[in-house]
Amino acid sequence: QKEVEQNSGPLSVPEGAIASLNCTYSDRGSQSFFWYRQYSGKSPELIMFIYSNGDKEDGRFTAQLNKASQYVSLLIRDSQPSDSATYLCAAPPNFGNEKLTFGTGTRLTIIP
Amino acid sequence: DARVTQTPRHKVTEMGQEVTMRCQPILGHNTVFWYRQTMMQGLELLAYFRNRAPLDDSGMPKDRFSAEMPDATLATLKIQPSEPRDSAVYFCASGPGDSDAIYFGEGSWLTVV
Repeated sequence: QKEVEQNSGPLSVPEGAIASLNCTYSDRGSQSFFWYRQYSGKSPELIMFIYSNGDKEDGRFTAQLNKASQYVSLLIRDSQPSDSATYLCAAPPNFGNEKLTFGTGTRLTIIP
Repeated sequence: DARVTQTPRHKVTEMGQEVTMRCQPILGHNTVFWYRQTMMQGLELLAYFRNRAPLDDSGMPKDRFSAEMPDATLATLKIQPSEPRDSAVYFCASGPGDSDAIYFGEGSWLTVV
């Protein structure tokens, strides 16, 4: 049974600082990960995906995957109040009838 | 702009009534998911379809819930009879393949009184 673990937070970060969100996973075979952002009262929205070891940057967002240590991170630089949301990481299936496995989410608050 | 469409957006119903939620997945997507989310539970997978075939409904209370895909453009989630503990937001999501990201609809907000 694949497991994806996240610190549920809440995580509070001052505006302009770097927010760091982490996710660990149990399945060494996992090859890729997705990060979703969910604003209160809204549906989850895909914001980043990473398929290979190392860093992937998109604007103020950087996803980091470390397969040896089995963790994936999302860094948000120059945090803005609009980044306040719950962030969920998700691991896709490796085989068969598995399905996308979501972490429980980390609630992030950016303090002006 | 392709998106998953869910109806109704909001539903208030009395305990014991039947509730049917509908979802139109993104055209060409072959995986469809139903999730339930409450403040306490987070995202809870209820049902998963691939190419319209149900693959996993282990998270769904079988006595009152049922999920179907009568065709590739429509997925339904039915609750009969509804109970107050079913009050939650129900999300439908679809994806182009098993290892791909999935895209969520706006959700159906259900209140059972």
